[in-house]
Amino acid sequence: AQSVTQLGSHVSVSEGALVLLRCNYSSSVPPYLFWYVQYPNQGLQLLLKYTTGATLVKGINGFEAEFKKSETSFHLTKPSAHMSDAAEYFCAVRLSNFGNEKLTFGTGTRLTIIP
Amino acid sequence: NAGVTQTPKFQVLKTGQSMTLQCAQDMNHNSMYWYRQDPGMGLRLIYYSASEGTTDKGEVPNGYNVSRLNKREFSLRLESAAPSQTSVYFCASHNRNSNQPQHFGDGTRLSIL
Repeated sequence: AQSVTQLGSHVSVSEGALVLLRCNYSSSVPPYLFWYVQYPNQGLQLLLKYTTGATLVKGINGFEAEFKKSETSFHLTKPSAHMSDAAEYFCAVRLSNFGNEKLTFGTGTRLTIIP
Repeated sequence: NAGVTQTPKFQVLKTGQSMTLQCAQDMNHNSMYWYRQDPGMGLRLIYYSASEGTTDKGEVPNGYNVSRLNKREFSLRLESAAPSQTSVYFCASHNRNSNQPQHFGDGTRLSIL
């Protein structure tokens, strides 16, 4: 079984400031972890993923996330926020063993960028 | 390069009406999924199909039925729509037995009056 907790349903940052969106997970086996972004009235677009290997993963639009097993975390960061980053962000987890590949999503974090 | 295509994009129904939401993918994926998205609740899995010919219940299956018509298509049916089913519905597909992510359609926005 697996679950995801996203701390903070709404986050506001100033343009140019650091973006930090928090995600903690629980998983009965090593997890695969994903961040998706959703712009208004659109579907979900993959930002980045962690499956195996390097724990710091880089994604699109300057975002990155670090898998920390000891903290069961997969926080999303971006050094300098841009107005176009305003969107809703979802963290998701699935088990790494094949045969049970359902994704479990967090409840989402809406990111607002202050000019 | 369409990816996952959902139809319709918007629909308004009256309570008790029936409707089928269509989903098709052109990526030769074997697994397909239906989710609903409600404010503050993230995405919740309704039904999924791990491969052609199989379907299984997800977290919130009540009030829905699905059909995996062929490898490309996976439809979601509301037999008797209720206001509680007002939501945004997303279809996704994925290559089974891989570490690849799920790919999502643009959603169907469904309102039930």
